[in-house]
Amino acid sequence: DAMVIQNPRYQVTQFGKPVTLSCSQTLNHNVMYWYQQKSSQAPKLLFHYYDKDFNNEADTPDNFQSRRPNTSFCFLDIRSPGLGDAAMYLCATSRGLAGEETQYFGPGTRLLVL
Amino acid sequence: DQQVKQNSPSLSVQEGRISILNCDYTNSMFDYFLWYKKYPAEGPTFLISISSIKDKNEDGRFTVFLNKSAKHLSLHIVPSQPGDSAVYFCAASGSPGTYKYIFGTGTRLKVLA
Repeated sequence: DAMVIQNPRYQVTQFGKPVTLSCSQTLNHNVMYWYQQKSSQAPKLLFHYYDKDFNNEADTPDNFQSRRPNTSFCFLDIRSPGLGDAAMYLCATSRGLAGEETQYFGPGTRLLVL
Repeated sequence: DQQVKQNSPSLSVQEGRISILNCDYTNSMFDYFLWYKKYPAEGPTFLISISSIKDKNEDGRFTVFLNKSAKHLSLHIVPSQPGDSAVYFCAASGSPGTYKYIFGTGTRLKVLA
């Protein structure tokens, strides 16, 4: 089945210790997104890639970076995690960038910062 | 400023009855709306969508209604089943120059057997 896969599902890191979350997709979609979702809040878009073009949301902290080495994979790097970065991180994909393109989500990685 | 609002954090409904989940938005430029369902430990799954040129879209037990003048949409589930118990997110897109989805905070639906 075509899908969006996120690894690991749970990640524990220490305050200030860099951490990388990964996402892969078998849908061959052009666009990959990273969202942050904190408890009882709406998912918040951090950035997206359209093919190799990276687009950062204006309010995404510099502490968050992303890499997309190929169509299938996208990584979220948190350079110096703070306690406030503990959240669920959701990866999503879509064929294109039009407002009517359905986004398909992975299961998420729950990040805990100690 | 929350542009998409789901004012009911939770809803309980008896099996077989109708579930109505509500969503309000403030940006009149939104022209496409979606509902996603999320089970625990899973990512959101697309459920149903509606374009602003329509006021109703139906897919099996799920119907979405859009009232543009009131900037309100609702998701009806008839009949409700225990497997429908999940968190439902409303999302909107279509502000000019942006592709982004703006999500609501979700409503947790519990269908009681």
